[in-house]
Amino acid sequence: ETGVTQSPTHLIKTRGQQVTLRCSSQSGHNTVSWYQQALGQGPQFIFQYYREEENGRGNFPPRFSGLQFPNYSSELNVNALELDDSALYLCASSFQGASKNIQYFGAGTRLSVL
Amino acid sequence: AQRVTQPEKLLSVFKGAPVELKCNYSYSGSPELFWYVQYSRQRLQLLLRHISRESIKGFTADLNKGETSFHLKKPFAQEEDSAMYYCALSGRSGNTGKLIFGQGTTLQVKP
Repeated sequence: ETGVTQSPTHLIKTRGQQVTLRCSSQSGHNTVSWYQQALGQGPQFIFQYYREEENGRGNFPPRFSGLQFPNYSSELNVNALELDDSALYLCASSFQGASKNIQYFGAGTRLSVL
Repeated sequence: AQRVTQPEKLLSVFKGAPVELKCNYSYSGSPELFWYVQYSRQRLQLLLRHISRESIKGFTADLNKGETSFHLKKPFAQEEDSAMYYCALSGRSGNTGKLIFGQGTTLQVKP
């Protein structure tokens, strides 16, 4: 069984740039959720993708967008980066079914915006 | 408003002492409660969920709907329990399953 993998592990960007983060879901999972974790805080829900469509969104502006592909992998895109976007971005996969709420997390991508 | 509160940022105990990590929540409806743990240099992983009513690594947590709490307890702490612990909730209605996390509590178990 393959776990959730995220790439890249670290990324440095400058303000105003755009970034794409990638996530491969765990084998057998069909749902991907993205979270932002600022330093010293708990993860905050950004959005979730199921069947290639957005299935719930947290309190994040439209410049945060995502995609899910037929193989259930996912991308998180952030446009017009701001300094406050510096954080650890976590991807979690789950199976939309009886145990849909058990989410399995990747190791994260640490984004630094200068 | 949906919220999870972990009042302690750091809890430091000696090995063998009892541990209680506090978690209070605010949610209109029937939430599902979880404890996630992150050991040093490892990813976030599920420790407990309230509907399972299990004991994992000696930890237990009981959902108290009257006090809206889901405290994590262990009678005798071990050094390997040192980690960051997050309480989280998810709404049972709807199909999003998004998790709302608390700010986390660092548990430090001293020898």
